[in-house]
Amino acid sequence: DTEVTQTPKHLVMGMTNKKSLKCEQHMGHRAMYWYKQKAKKPPELMFVYSYEKLSINESVPSRFSPECPNSSLLNLHLHALQPEDSALYLCASSQFSGSTDTQYFGPGTRLTVL
Amino acid sequence: RKEVEQDPGPFNVPEGATVAFNCTYSNSASQSFFWYRQDCRKEPKLLMSVYSSGNEDGRFTAQLNRASQYISLLIRDSKLSDSATYLCVVNEGNQGGKLIFGQGTELSVKP
Repeated sequence: DTEVTQTPKHLVMGMTNKKSLKCEQHMGHRAMYWYKQKAKKPPELMFVYSYEKLSINESVPSRFSPECPNSSLLNLHLHALQPEDSALYLCASSQFSGSTDTQYFGPGTRLTVL
Repeated sequence: RKEVEQDPGPFNVPEGATVAFNCTYSNSASQSFFWYRQDCRKEPKLLMSVYSSGNEDGRFTAQLNRASQYISLLIRDSKLSDSATYLCVVNEGNQGGKLIFGQGTELSVKP
């Protein structure tokens, strides 16, 4: 089973709200990822967690705050977002964060910032 | 030069056609290569990993030429359900799992 789940599916928030996106996998994967995808563009990497530790932050603004509470869960906390942050937010996982590990994507959260 | 470049598309083909997608990558030390498929408003799904020896899965064949830094995907006997965006994806191997995505090539298969 290569399933990654994400909640919520859709989220609408105002610029002053605080919300969180959640991602879960039960494949025993030790690497988890957050991507942002705008329409008609490929996914852009935001963060990588390896063994529950943040290993890559692609210079993401601090209004996005990732958290990895355990090896199965990954959160993305959102605060004071801008309308241009509206996008599809994808979570992915892989066995490890190595050079040949296949990443499996969740269905994404479609975020609209008003 | 972009790190991963794909045919710009879109490709509009009739059912039953054979269609080929091409992709080039700039980092000769890249370690692994993939084709993902993404349907409209859905997540990318792994279609195939790509190996130097080439690999085939039913109607889909992927090839890797490391000397030319070129990756291809061939779809034979295309179906309506093959309509999607095809993403060429490279793992350069030295960036902690970071994938480099091409811009994607949109395929539309018509009856």
